[in-house]
Amino acid sequence: AQSVSQHNHHVILSEAASLELGCNYSYGGTVNLFWYVQYPGQHLQLLLKYFSGDPLVKGIKGFEAEFIKSKFSFNLRKPSVQWSDTAEYFCAGLNQAGTALIFGKGTTLSVSS
Amino acid sequence: NAGVTQTPKFRVLKTGQSMTLLCAQDMNHEYMYWYRQDPGMGLRLIHYSVGEGTTAKGEVPDGYNVSRLKKQNFLLGLESAAPSQTSVYFCASSNQGTNYGYTFGSGTRLTVV
Repeated sequence: AQSVSQHNHHVILSEAASLELGCNYSYGGTVNLFWYVQYPGQHLQLLLKYFSGDPLVKGIKGFEAEFIKSKFSFNLRKPSVQWSDTAEYFCAGLNQAGTALIFGKGTTLSVSS
Repeated sequence: NAGVTQTPKFRVLKTGQSMTLLCAQDMNHEYMYWYRQDPGMGLRLIHYSVGEGTTAKGEVPDGYNVSRLKKQNFLLGLESAAPSQTSVYFCASSNQGTNYGYTFGSGTRLTVV
């Protein structure tokens, strides 16, 4: 079955700590992967996306993600988090029909100052 | 440009009542989507449309109907609301399929009592 899974439900970090959020997808074929962020009370915003080519993708606000095909993974990273990064993060992948995104269940990131 | 606009932003319904959520986009996007977001469940696809006059079922379509009579509008209907439909509903649109990610609306918080 097509699915996107996120390993961490809630991550708590101090400012300046490094971040890595896990994401795995379960399907083959064309792989289009995304990370979205949802700040409290707001709608989802696109952080970065991967279609093909360089497996290391850089997004907005200092985030990056690495696509590892052999591990079916697309983990999100940031070297040094800020209090303003407190939000919920969603990994998503294009379904095999190419018609819609499948979302993971999300990871809540809490950053303390 | 307004992007994706959802109305209403909040609504409280009694069990058995009906209502329609409106999504409007001004970006001339072909694809439109309705998701529901529940704590710990991420975003789940209800219905989607790949063009004017077309609709298709997503992961959780039961209890909902949709219509796409005009390219810019995508309506989500609840014929007989149930408490299990208490959720935050997000509309999204995309161009050229989903390769470029979604633009999300700000959400509708629906409570069914």
